Amino acid sequence: GENVEQHPSTLSVQEGDSAVIKCTYSDSASNYFPWYKQELGKRPQLIIDIRSNVGEKKDQRIAVTLNKTAKHFSLHITETQPEDSAVYFCAASKPGGGADGLTFGKGTHLIIQP
Amino acid sequence: GAGVSQSPSNKVTEKGKDVELRCDPISGHTALYWYRQSLGQGLEFLIYFQGNSAPDKSGLPSDRFSAERTGGSVSTLTIQRTQQEDSAVYLCASSPILRGAETQYFGPGTRLLVL
Repeated sequence: GENVEQHPSTLSVQEGDSAVIKCTYSDSASNYFPWYKQELGKRPQLIIDIRSNVGEKKDQRIAVTLNKTAKHFSLHITETQPEDSAVYFCAASKPGGGADGLTFGKGTHLIIQP
Repeated sequence: GAGVSQSPSNKVTEKGKDVELRCDPISGHTALYWYRQSLGQGLEFLIYFQGNSAPDKSGLPSDRFSAERTGGSVSTLTIQRTQQEDSAVYLCASSPILRGAETQYFGPGTRLLVL
């Protein structure tokens, strides 16, 4: 089955700096890669996603890049703010999702230092 | 509209007891997923329902776990003879799309503590 590795497990950056979280996946059939943000005690919230037919997607301060050949994708947050502090999960899914669901990375705890 | 809802929000039970966790997906969403999140860990996929079809149970951690979905909407996850290692947050997600990669919307979760 799919295996998703996520790094780093903890990331501390100064407010205003950029943060980058990286994930790799194992199954070349995967074609959907969402990123979820989970604040303490709350549900995971989708913040951005990318499908395998594009290499980059941007939404304001957040961007995701995908390298299908290398089977890795990354989340980039620019001009970080205190409210960006949370745990971020990457995930991968094959067409139809279905019985395999989403395979998640183990998460990155992002800490924004004031 | 209303998002995915789950009940109860918290459940404390004694080892050996059975528990039932409920999930109400977003109206019209055909796909429903259950995940388990242990403290400080990622999300572990448990089971998936597509409409009324029989679920794929291969992700369930043991035969003490079962799930059903009535009328293609509400789902119940049942854990029999609970063990302390079952303590976790159980998250439900639903998705609107039948084919292709789906965007999943999560409920708030049920925090289960087995004493």
